[in-house]
Amino acid sequence: EVHLVESGGDLVQPGKSLTLSCAASGFMFSNYWMNWVRQTPGKGLEWVAKIHPDGRDKNYVDSVKGRFTISRDNAKDLLFLQMNSLRVEDTAVYYCAMKGWGDFDSWGQGTLVTVSS
Amino acid sequence: QSLLTQPPAVSGAPGQRVTISCNGSSSNIGAYYDVHWYQQLPGAAPKLLIYANGNRPSGVPDRFSGSKSGTSASLVIAGLQAEDEGDYYCQSYDISLSGLYVFGSGTKVTVL
Repeated sequence: EVHLVESGGDLVQPGKSLTLSCAASGFMFSNYWMNWVRQTPGKGLEWVAKIHPDGRDKNYVDSVKGRFTISRDNAKDLLFLQMNSLRVEDTAVYYCAMKGWGDFDSWGQGTLVTVSS
Repeated sequence: QSLLTQPPAVSGAPGQRVTISCNGSSSNIGAYYDVHWYQQLPGAAPKLLIYANGNRPSGVPDRFSGSKSGTSASLVIAGLQAEDEGDYYCQSYDISLSGLYVFGSGTKVTVL
């Protein structure tokens, strides 16, 4: 059974940095595209970034380009999201999600990032 | 404002049939991209309910069904049950936006 566990969420000030992690188990992590999706009460669900199984191809939503970096460690079955220059509008619950038959087949439980002074 | 439009809320009595619409455009659903549906129960993460327009992952009850036509898609819950109460989101791929994937704004299903 696919199991994804996010961690690293915190309360941070605007302009600061934070790194989220997602530990994967129950599937061959190195074979799958992985994503970060965030959810806010006001904007709902928003796709943030995705990464190819080998880690070389990455895509981002425009609002985070140049600030966020998605990466993975296939040897340790870990997915990361490095978030720099955080803004108030980045406040959300962040989910990692595995692409399978659909675009987001399995989701973690989420980790809360709050950006506030 | 989402590019995939869903009704904010639908409701029904147990056993009734409810339909949730998802209206897109020629840059997403109408461009032949698949539509997927997610169920989010209170306090939980989203869960894939329907993939590629009308396919159910293993373990999803057959009272859930999906379809797509033109620039729209629909999710039908036939035989509504109390445990179906929650939020439902459609999702597709979009070629016009700043992001590759778009989600609907969500529909809250209430079981009366």
